[in-house]
Amino acid sequence: GEDVEQSLFLSVREGDSSVINCTYTDSSSTYLYWYKQEPGAGLQLLTYIFSNMDMKQDQRLTVLLNKKDKHLSLRIADTQTGDSAIYFCAESGGATNKLIFGTGTLLAVQP
Amino acid sequence: SQTIHQWPATLVQPVGSPLSLECTVEGTSNPNLYWYRQAAGRGLQLLFYSVGIGQISSEVPQNLSASRPQDRQFILSSKKLLLSDSGFYLCAWSDNYGYTFGSGTRLTVV
Repeated sequence: GEDVEQSLFLSVREGDSSVINCTYTDSSSTYLYWYKQEPGAGLQLLTYIFSNMDMKQDQRLTVLLNKKDKHLSLRIADTQTGDSAIYFCAESGGATNKLIFGTGTLLAVQP
Repeated sequence: SQTIHQWPATLVQPVGSPLSLECTVEGTSNPNLYWYRQAAGRGLQLLFYSVGIGQISSEVPQNLSASRPQDRQFILSSKKLLLSDSGFYLCAWSDNYGYTFGSGTRLTVV
């Protein structure tokens, strides 16, 4: 079955870059996503990448996809205290388009 | 525009009581609908999904059930809540253009 794994915690200093990693098992994934969840709030879609792409950049966010290794990463440049949140990677594909989430990475930004 | 309504936002229920969480979608037809749960300190787990009226698939064995009585209505239910049912429940829908999530219901079973 599908499985998506992430490291649980990442701590960075304000102004540094953050890199959050994710691995998945489903080779038929069509889209891969990054969501942000702030304390007590719902999910906010940050960015997504189609499975035939290697990289996508959107302002401070860079997504890298290594399809051979089934590895996805999210780089946040110039990390700010407002970036502190839980970040979920997710993959979808197949007829039902189910979205399968990773365990989430808590990003703590130190001032 | 497409919107998704989920209510209530918070709920405190005693053990053994019934549950009904409702989710409705506007601005789209025949979406795929989903219920997710996030237990405290854990990731998001897909509970149910539906590709059409009356069609429900369960991802994990549990104390909950789901129903889709209308195209744009998805209901999460339980006859008798357990302490372990506490968590943050998110409804979502998807079409060819992506996913939209509701604002979530925080359920505390006491």
